[in-house]
Formats: sequence, C-alpha cells, structure tokens
Amino acid sequence: KNEVEQSPQNLTAQEGEFITINCSYSVGISALHWLQQHPGGGIVSLFMLSSGKKKHGRLIATINIQEKHSSLHITASHPRDSAVYICAVGSNTGNQFYFGTGTSLTVIP
Amino acid sequence: NAGVTQTPKFQVLKTGQSMTLQCAQDMNHNSMYWYRQDPGMGLRLIYYSASEGTTDKGEVPNGYNVSRLNKREFSLRLESAAPSQTSVYFCASTARDREGEQFFGPGTRLTVL
Repeated sequence: KNEVEQSPQNLTAQEGEFITINCSYSVGISALHWLQQHPGGGIVSLFMLSSGKKKHGRLIATINIQEKHSSLHITASHPRDSAVYICAVGSNTGNQFYFGTGTSLTVIP
Repeated sequence: NAGVTQTPKFQVLKTGQSMTLQCAQDMNHNSMYWYRQDPGMGLRLIYYSASEGTTDKGEVPNGYNVSRLNKREFSLRLESAAPSQTSVYFCASTARDREGEQFFGPGTRLTVL
C-alpha cells in the first residue's frame, strides 16, 4: 500500500528550467511536508502546509485538499537544486507520517 | 543549537550482534521518531515517542526496541541484528506531533553481515 505517491521518480533539467514535482496522497492529513535530501544523505524540511500555497525564494509549494494533491515548483533551476525531493504527510488519525519514495532531480549546467 | 544529533554515523555488525543507536535533540521538542530508509522505498516509521515516558510502534517495529530516556534523548536498540536490518536510520523530532515541522538527524548507515 502506498499512501503517498510522487511523480516523476527521476527528473533531469537544464539550468534555468521551471520544474514541477507532484504528490498525491490517499489518507486524511493534518499537514503535508516537502523535504529535500542531498547526496550526502541529510534531510531538511522545505515546507509544511495544510492549505493554499507557500513560497520560499525560488521554491513554491501548493496543496489542493479536495483533490489530495500537492505540487512543488522550482523556478529558474540551478545545479545546486540537484537532490531528492520527498513528499510526506502527517496523518490526522494516529501518530503517523507517511513518505513518498522521492523524486531524484538533476539540474545540468 | 546542534538540532538533532545521532551516533554513530556508520556501523558494521555481524548477524546476532546487538547495538544501540543514540539520538538527541536540543530544541525542547516533545515528539521524536525513528525511521529507516531503504533503496526504492520511502522512509518508514519504526517507533515514535509523543513525550517523555511514552513510545508507540510504527510501521516496521519488529526486531527493534526503543527508550525515551528523557525529553532530549530517544535511543533505538537492535537486540540481535539481522541482514534485513541493513539500512540507513534517521532520527527526527517535531515540536507539535504530526502537525509540526520535522527536524532530522544526519543518519546512521548500518550494515549487518
């Protein structure tokens, strides 16, 4: 069972391109999280959102609660954006987080 | 602020050996988590602690035990390691349970031979 599905699994882009990563989930949630995992393995939180849209610099995250779908956008992509992006949801029943398998992004100069 | 720290960073065990993975956070967070990350799979919850003195099983608890020693520390113990426990282990904490932003430790890469 996959409570969280991400697409695409792998993505290669040219520097400067606009990038979209999608996340769909099947459980009721309290919040959705976008995480970034760099090649060294460390994981950092990019966004936590439960409605609407958030923006940090060149990154934008949106969520549609009715459709159970979220997108992460990167504008003017840069090689330093190369990483694995992980979508996670906090369940609204119990004390559980569910994680997608990640989208591996490579941005070529 | 060190955030979330984990020790060790790397470990190699033989089948049947035991070890404890240590995790500590200095952000005064209530909730702490242990996950494992395997190739091709998302992070999976092993155990969870909502507060000092409480622990709950996650998705994959078999073969593991945990201790929430105090508010800062949450340890994960493998009593008799098996090759299937070869994985990267992450500890995380949140201020407000599953509604809070998660802060992750740097991970422990464990190999069981």
